[in-house]
Amino acid sequence: SAVISQKPSRDICQRGTSLTIQCQVDSQVTMMFWYRQQPGQSLTLIATANQGSEATYESGFVIDKFPISRPNLTFSTLTVSNMSPEDSSIYLCSVGAGLLHEQYFGPGTRLTVT
Amino acid sequence: GENVEQHPSTLSVQEGDSAVIKCTYSDSASNYFPWYKQELGKRPQLIIDIRSNVGEKKDQRIAVTLNKTAKHFSLHITETQPEDSAVYFCAASRKTGRRALTFGSGTRLQVQP
Repeated sequence: SAVISQKPSRDICQRGTSLTIQCQVDSQVTMMFWYRQQPGQSLTLIATANQGSEATYESGFVIDKFPISRPNLTFSTLTVSNMSPEDSSIYLCSVGAGLLHEQYFGPGTRLTVT
Repeated sequence: GENVEQHPSTLSVQEGDSAVIKCTYSDSASNYFPWYKQELGKRPQLIIDIRSNVGEKKDQRIAVTLNKTAKHFSLHITETQPEDSAVYFCAASRKTGRRALTFGSGTRLQVQP
């Protein structure tokens, strides 16, 4: 499976600020996704990061709040903008890898907004 | 869109017993069903998956069954061990087109030594 890293691993941010999370993969992958996992909850898809075009957002998530970049097949960023305490969560990237495009997750970024 | 329901939300078993977690899905076009194990503070780990052309798949103490007609699939863990204690998530997606995963709500499994 692919080796996936995320930066930062955790951060504490003030209300109203923005944080950009990076996801790096050690090999080229077609599919990259961003998920959110609120404390004690399941995983919710934020968007599909498309290489060379705008991300595809799920219902309830908008580009102004969660802008995503994917400049190449190994890297993507998710920005959480104008943060509020409700954005406190773990943000995970995942990639589709392997012959059958199984999805593997990065280690996650634990965000706390005060 | 797809909706995945998972039961039970918590499950406590004695070491050596079997554990079964069940999921149902709503989108008849879904044809890929992975299971993830998430230990506290760690990322979800893919432990087994099944595709719609297969009814059952086994990997050592873990097995998954799929009933496409009834739109449900299950995870079976035999001879449970304390290290099996974790939160387990089922998920569903399509193999083509939109491949993003829709997750169930999770099952917290506690194996008592």
